[in-house]
Amino acid sequence: EPEVTQTPSHQVTQMGQEVILRCVPISNHLYFYWYRQILGQKVEFLVSFYNNEISEKSEIFDDQFSVERPDGSNFTLKIRSTKLEDSAMYFCASRWDISGNTIYFGEGSWLTVV
Amino acid sequence: ELKVEQNPLFLSMQEGKNYTIYCNYSTTSDRLYWYRQDPGKSLESLFVLLSNGAVKQEGRLMASLDTKARLSTLHITAAVHDLSATYFCAVDIMEYGNKLVFGAGTILRVKS
Repeated sequence: EPEVTQTPSHQVTQMGQEVILRCVPISNHLYFYWYRQILGQKVEFLVSFYNNEISEKSEIFDDQFSVERPDGSNFTLKIRSTKLEDSAMYFCASRWDISGNTIYFGEGSWLTVV
Repeated sequence: ELKVEQNPLFLSMQEGKNYTIYCNYSTTSDRLYWYRQDPGKSLESLFVLLSNGAVKQEGRLMASLDTKARLSTLHITAAVHDLSATYFCAVDIMEYGNKLVFGAGTILRVKS
C-alpha cells in the first residue's frame, strides 16, 4: 500500500533553533496537510496546501511556521525559532482529492524542544 | 467554531463484551473518518463514511453515520485485547478548507 513518509522520526532541538520536518506524500496526491499532536492530546490541524499554495492555516500556524513544496515530491514544515511548546508529534498527510477519499497519514516526526 | 465531541474518552472493557463509541459534531457534514492510533504511532484509517446512513464493517468494528443527528458511532463487537488503542473520529468539511477536525479520542483498553 502506498504510504506517506516522514523524516526525521525524532529530533531534539534547542529552544530558538530552526527545524525542518520533511515529508514525501503519496505520489499522485494533490492535497497536503500538517497536523500536530501534543503528547496525550488530540490531533490539531496546522495547515493545508494545494496547487503550490496554502489553502488554510490554523491559529497555531503563526509567522514562525512555513511550508514549502520545493520539488515534485517533498513537502516540508519549517519552524523558524522553536519554543518549548512546539514539542509534539508532527504528522504529514495527503489525499488524492477532496471528494471523500481516504487521507493518509505519515508515521510522524517527534519534535522535542529543550 | 466546529466542535467534534467523542465519548467516552476512556473505555475499559472485558474481552468478549460489546460497546459503542459516540462522535457528535456541531455542523453539517456528510463525511466522517475513523482512525486508530497505537501508542507512539501514526493514525491508521479505519473507515470513511460518506453519506447519511452509511454503515461499514471490518472485523469486530462497525461504523455508522447519521448526518441528520450529526452523529457517528463506532461499535465494537466481542472485544479482543488487540483492539486496545486510541480511536479518533474526524469530520471533513469543505467550508473548513477540507481539513479534518478531530475529536479528542477514545482510549480503549480491553482486559483479558
